[in-house]
Amino acid sequence: SAVISQKPSRDICQRGTSLTIQCQVDSQVTMMFWYRQQPGQSLTLIATANQGSEATYESGFVIDKFPISRPNLTFSTLTVSNMSPEDSSIYLCSVEEGQGDGIEQFFGPGTRLTVL
Amino acid sequence: DAKTTQPNSMESNEEEPVHLPCNHSTISGTDYIHWYRQLPSQGPEYVIHGLTSNVNNRMASLAIAEDRKSSTLILHRATLRDAAVYYCILRWIQGGKLIFGQGTELSVKP
Repeated sequence: SAVISQKPSRDICQRGTSLTIQCQVDSQVTMMFWYRQQPGQSLTLIATANQGSEATYESGFVIDKFPISRPNLTFSTLTVSNMSPEDSSIYLCSVEEGQGDGIEQFFGPGTRLTVL
Repeated sequence: DAKTTQPNSMESNEEEPVHLPCNHSTISGTDYIHWYRQLPSQGPEYVIHGLTSNVNNRMASLAIAEDRKSSTLILHRATLRDAAVYYCILRWIQGGKLIFGQGTELSVKP
């Protein structure tokens, strides 16, 4: 199973600034996903990031606010731009592994962001 | 994306079986039924999945209704470490994104 690390694990930021979150996987994967989990809520998918193509954003999320890079098959970054307190959340990356009936998704530990 | 409906919360006693229900009346023939759980302060983890037949693994069992419009995750002997939010998710047969609902928060009493 894929092992995923995220940096930073947590941060406290001032409004109006930007934070870039890194996601590193210990194996090559095609599909990576970024999720947001607001306090006390379920996970919401932000975007799907495939290597070699532009990220696909879900409704309500835009590239200017959440630019994503996917330079290779083991790494991705999510930037939270021009932050406001409403962006305070846990941000998680995940990857898909396997084929056919054996497809599973593995999640990183998350980055806990607090915006003051 | 097809929707699932789960109870917001359930309680169980330690070492007793737990049956977590999920309704998915709009499931399509190309949807797998996946279960993930999220332990406190952790990312979600895979539990089990199935298409039509009941499935067993070391963590749990999945019972799928004959018409596939509902399913039940079965934890045979709940432990305190099973306290988590359990998510029932329909996923396209070829994989891809997971759309999380609100899930069921399971608490386990000693």
